[in-house]
Amino acid sequence: QKEVEQNSGPLSVPEGAIASLNCTYSDRVSQSFFWYRQYSGKSPELIMSIYSNGDKEDGRFTAQLNKASQYVSLLIRDSQPSDSATYLCAVGFSGGYNKLIFGAGTRLAVHP
Amino acid sequence: DVKVTQSSRYLVKRTGEKVFLECVQDMDHENMFWYRQDPGLGLRLIYFSYDVKMKEKGDIPEGYSVSREKKERFSLILESASTNQTSMYLCASSLEGQGTYGYTFGSGTRLTVV
Repeated sequence: QKEVEQNSGPLSVPEGAIASLNCTYSDRVSQSFFWYRQYSGKSPELIMSIYSNGDKEDGRFTAQLNKASQYVSLLIRDSQPSDSATYLCAVGFSGGYNKLIFGAGTRLAVHP
Repeated sequence: DVKVTQSSRYLVKRTGEKVFLECVQDMDHENMFWYRQDPGLGLRLIYFSYDVKMKEKGDIPEGYSVSREKKERFSLILESASTNQTSMYLCASSLEGQGTYGYTFGSGTRLTVV
């Protein structure tokens, strides 16, 4: 059974701080990794994808991947109250049909 | 802008009714998916389709069926709605590519079965 684990939170950070969200996965042959943001009552929105070990930066967001440790993280710099949402980690496993396995999500609360 | 459109934002149905949830995408994506999302349980895959008329069961297919007669449309059918099917239903689509593409989600349908 392939699994993707996230701390449910809430993770509470002050405005302007760095928020660090973590995700571990069970399958060593995983190929692709995604972070989705989901506001309350809304559907998930893709914000980052990463495929190779290391860091990938996009604006205030940085995704970090360590395949040896089966670990992927999302850093949000200069956190804003508008970043308050649930962040879902998703992992693409080999085997066809582009099936992603989602973690249950981490709720982030950024307070002024 | 790419879009996945779900026909209803909110639905209220009675126990035993047959319920149809419709999803249409305009991106010419091969893959389409139906998930349900419940508090504390995350996203759970009900069914997915990788081509017209092709379907595969996900993790929780019991009580559901699907139909994909055209590439752009993927329907979820609750054969006889029950209260434990009250949930947020999310449709998604993606290109085909061995787990390398992210999904685009529709806005969701919040179904209440009474």
